[in-house]
Amino acid sequence: DAKTTQPPSMDCAEGRAANLPCNHSTISGNEYVYWYRQIHSQGPQYIIHGLKNNETNEMASLIITEDRKSSTLILPHATLRDTAVYYCIVRDLMEYGNKLVFGAGTILRVKS
Amino acid sequence: DAEITQSPRHKITETGRQVTLACHQTWNHNNMFWYRQDLGHGLRLIHYSYGVQDTNKGEVSDGYSVSRSNTEDLPLTLESAASSQTSVYFCASSESAGAGELFFGEGSRLTVL
Repeated sequence: DAKTTQPPSMDCAEGRAANLPCNHSTISGNEYVYWYRQIHSQGPQYIIHGLKNNETNEMASLIITEDRKSSTLILPHATLRDTAVYYCIVRDLMEYGNKLVFGAGTILRVKS
Repeated sequence: DAEITQSPRHKITETGRQVTLACHQTWNHNNMFWYRQDLGHGLRLIHYSYGVQDTNKGEVSDGYSVSRSNTEDLPLTLESAASSQTSVYFCASSESAGAGELFFGEGSRLTVL
């Protein structure tokens, strides 16, 4: 079973920041938070991951609360091409093999 | 560039027929995975492999089988296709260990009539 809770859907205006929340209240010390997205009819795409520090890459920023029970994915300037399902996934790096368990995700709709 | 490819991208078959979906990756990744995606269920893991001759069952493995005879390929076989196996199937691969990301194929849409 997925260990995360996400809102089913969100809207965002084009050019504005999109902030996607994720709750993972049962996360353990070895577990990382991963974010993937899936644009319609395509395979999921990796966005970012983190353990406890905030992370940023060319696609997004990941903010993890100090108690690590929740996180927020930030797309700083959302475009129409960012409309997709966003998945927040918790994974134990001590478990061999990088297996991922996907939940329902959040449908992000970016509107002009 | 290295990549992961699935074939066929679309297939229609009849109940009871054997179907094989191919997955080929050129990254030399040891780990490979098969997921299915259905409306209302998200992505569910079918089978996975951590290396040649290694296969493991995922959460929805009944009616499916895989074999891993080389690093590059993990074919998924439906021994006797059922209408409940109508779905979109995604193959993925990743490096052996650590925080490596999963790379997904573009998917294979299977319809069982």
